[in-house]
Amino acid sequence: GAGVSQSPSNKVTEKGKDVELRCDPISGHTALYWYRQSLGQGLEFLIYFQGNSAPDKSGLPSDRFSAERTGGSVSTLTIQRTQQEDSAVYLCASSLEGGVGNIQYFGAGTRLSVL
Amino acid sequence: SQKIEQNSEALNIQEGKTATLTCNYTNYSPAYLQWYRQDPGRGPVFLLLIRENEKEKRKERLKVTFDTTLKQSLFHITASQPADSATYLCALASGTYKYIFGTGTRLKVLA
Repeated sequence: GAGVSQSPSNKVTEKGKDVELRCDPISGHTALYWYRQSLGQGLEFLIYFQGNSAPDKSGLPSDRFSAERTGGSVSTLTIQRTQQEDSAVYLCASSLEGGVGNIQYFGAGTRLSVL
Repeated sequence: SQKIEQNSEALNIQEGKTATLTCNYTNYSPAYLQWYRQDPGRGPVFLLLIRENEKEKRKERLKVTFDTTLKQSLFHITASQPADSATYLCALASGTYKYIFGTGTRLKVLA
């Protein structure tokens, strides 16, 4: 399809393990966002990529979290040494261009459960 | 600090009526405001964008108002249908590329 694709859709892991979440944005979209949505909470901004510019990592909650975007397309969010408080839905969104006047198109998310 | 408030209580209305959802904000002067719809197990879907110099925006049965004096946006769905049942999120622009999202209001339209 032509939408934002995220994988896996669900991930169950044990505390202390590393996980990788993948986001495939809409082709041609230069901006990519990662958000975290916990139960009863709003979407929490994690990181923003725009073209070849340095990413805005200001929302990453700890140094256990990192993300990269290869070739201006696919992005991977990595959580090292997962903790139970990392359990949440991780959402990826892309937009045609960076800037707040643009629409964000979201994937269905990855539901992460840390046991 | 910047704060967005959406009614966390679920809103139940009868089919055919107009649903009105509220988004209030403080310590903030957003240039843009967006409304999204989110269904269970899915990502948010964009509905409407309104700029600070626009008082009102319409799209089919949807209407959004943006009052920068009251620091409030209202989202209306006219002639509501059970298929409109979902959680509705408001999002306010923060800076040049970020949005801050509210926690959303769950709407249930009763047949």
